[in-house]
Amino acid sequence: QQQVKQSPQSLIVQKGGISIINCAYENTAFDYFPWYQQFPGKGPALLIAIRPDVSEKKEGRFTISFNKSAKQFSLHIMDSQPGDSATYFCAAQRGDFNKFYFGSGTKLNVKP
Amino acid sequence: ETGVTQSPTHLIKTRGQQVTLRCSSQSGHNTVSWYQQALGQGPQFIFQYYREEENGRGNFPPRFSGLQFPNYSSELNVNALELDDSALYLCASSLASASGETQYFGPGTRLLVL
Repeated sequence: QQQVKQSPQSLIVQKGGISIINCAYENTAFDYFPWYQQFPGKGPALLIAIRPDVSEKKEGRFTISFNKSAKQFSLHIMDSQPGDSATYFCAAQRGDFNKFYFGSGTKLNVKP
Repeated sequence: ETGVTQSPTHLIKTRGQQVTLRCSSQSGHNTVSWYQQALGQGPQFIFQYYREEENGRGNFPPRFSGLQFPNYSSELNVNALELDDSALYLCASSLASASGETQYFGPGTRLLVL
């Protein structure tokens, strides 16, 4: 059973547009939700993370929206740039068990 | 850069062989996790080591084993390699805390099994 479901699989956005990637989870014991950015040939790099006690977290052009009742969270990339073209992974973790469950990834292509 | 290093960067093995992958954690981190990332997929948790002891394991067979050393560096060993073991192997280091921790990934080792 996939613990974290991510959509869409791929996304094409024009430069300056908003990129939105969605994730849904099953386990209500999850209490930490990071987003990772991965460029080809590189390991995933932490982008932004949220805990369920807040509904939104913003860092620069990146915002996480969190809906605890719906068990969903999303990443918004404002003013998307070609340099944002990468694969994005959402993840979820239980604080008492240090295992991360990753979504299947979204390949973002920002066109100039 | 995260400060997590992995070696080698690429490796080619044949089916049935054994492989050892190495990871050097970020300074000050006492926990290391290993993940397998197949092409086009998200990372899948293999296991985690905390202070040299295994601290959780994913759905991987026993031929996947690991070690963590006193300096918190780590090894992933895979015996009897199968074609499906071809993947990017990632290690991630972290500093364990009661409220969970952020994991910092290395660049990975790409393993090809022929």
